Amino acid sequence: EAGVAQSPRYKIIEKRQSVAFWCNPISGHATLYWYQQILGQGPKLLIQFQNNGVVDDSQLPKDRFSAERLKGVDSTLKIQPAKLEDSAVYLCASSPTGDEQYFGPGTRLTVT
Amino acid sequence: RKEVEQDPGPFNVPEGATVAFNCTYSNSASQSFFWYRQDCRKEPKLLMSVYSSGNEDGRFTAQLNRASQYISLLIRDSKLSDSATYLCAVSSSSASKIIFGSGTRLSIRP
Repeated sequence: EAGVAQSPRYKIIEKRQSVAFWCNPISGHATLYWYQQILGQGPKLLIQFQNNGVVDDSQLPKDRFSAERLKGVDSTLKIQPAKLEDSAVYLCASSPTGDEQYFGPGTRLTVT
Repeated sequence: RKEVEQDPGPFNVPEGATVAFNCTYSNSASQSFFWYRQDCRKEPKLLMSVYSSGNEDGRFTAQLNRASQYISLLIRDSKLSDSATYLCAVSSSSASKIIFGSGTRLSIRP
């Protein structure tokens, strides 16, 4: 079974630029999550989708971050404009039940 | 107080030793509990779910103490390959937000 796919794997941008990340969850998984993981910390949930509806986006900085889940499958996360403190690994995860989660390899973002 | 707290470690133990970590949670309504393993510069991977009755998978044992609001992970006969960061995760119900701790770093020495 194919795992969660993410791209790009690495991205370096300057502050105030914009960036987008893509995620393709495991086939059939209804729930999709985007996490931000800063070095030395655990993953922090940014947004959770159930099919193509948003379940929780309470920790998403909506002034600069946006996310969508097209047709309940793939998802994109966008940052515009980026700040230095956005440097982190952005992890996408999916779940068939909303409990056990399967993570993609992540996108390592460096903002200079 | 953080919703999910872990001792960051690092725990540095010799190969073959037994090591245990705890993870405390603040929401008494929490219902689902998990341990994830994260290798350096890799994504977290589910190690095991934690059930009320406790559960064991080979050298790994997870337990839940609802009265004191913590979960534990015990690793017996530790191997060099067990070196990683162990993250606990808690959610209040199925399909609700899962909150991760900051992780406990474990280093096994020969």
